[in-house]
Amino acid sequence: DARVTQTPRHKVTEMGQEVTMRCQPILGHNTVFWYRQTMMQGLELLAYFRNRAPLDDSGMPKDRFSAEMPDATLATLKIQPSEPRDSAVYFCASGRRDRDWGTDTQYFGPGTRLTVL
Amino acid sequence: AQSVAQPEDQVNVAEGNPLTVKCTYSVSGNPYLFWYVQYPNRGLQFLLKYITGDNLVKGSYGFEAEFNKSQTSFHLKKPSALVSDSALYFCAVRDRGNNDMRFGAGTRLTVKP
Repeated sequence: DARVTQTPRHKVTEMGQEVTMRCQPILGHNTVFWYRQTMMQGLELLAYFRNRAPLDDSGMPKDRFSAEMPDATLATLKIQPSEPRDSAVYFCASGRRDRDWGTDTQYFGPGTRLTVL
Repeated sequence: AQSVAQPEDQVNVAEGNPLTVKCTYSVSGNPYLFWYVQYPNRGLQFLLKYITGDNLVKGSYGFEAEFNKSQTSFHLKKPSALVSDSALYFCAVRDRGNNDMRFGAGTRLTVKP
């Protein structure tokens, strides 16, 4: 049963510290998405990769957030420096682009719950 | 830009009764539409999607959704609700000409025994 995995599941850190979240997409999937979920804003798309190339990161605060895919089995989301307003659940999702219809059904990981004190 | 609205924050139904979770969307072109479910402390799970073809789409766990182009709606339905269906449900839309998907705010479904 293939799944998206995310580490860590929970992270508590202090303001100003660097936070790195990792995601392992489902083997064979070539698209990766990063989302942030909060009570106030709901689910927000932060960044989107296809074949390891960033296609859209317009939802991400550029000054402190960065997203990369060093290889096909690992995606990272980094916050430096972290702030209390970054506290949220961060989800990674992966998918495989449907050649006929040009869309991806996204499969979500369990999320990383980040608390910045 | 595409957007999706889930007009109800909360839906309560009795076990065994039919359930409907509403969703309306707005896109400039033809939509791809999705439903996801989220259980506590879990990620979103894919339920079903509409791409093209038959307006009635069947998905996981006995759920189905009906695409209605004239009303720009994609309501989620199930003929007989289970207590275990209690969760947060998200509708999502993607314009075929766009890369990103927009999620609704979510509807919390509570099924009471």
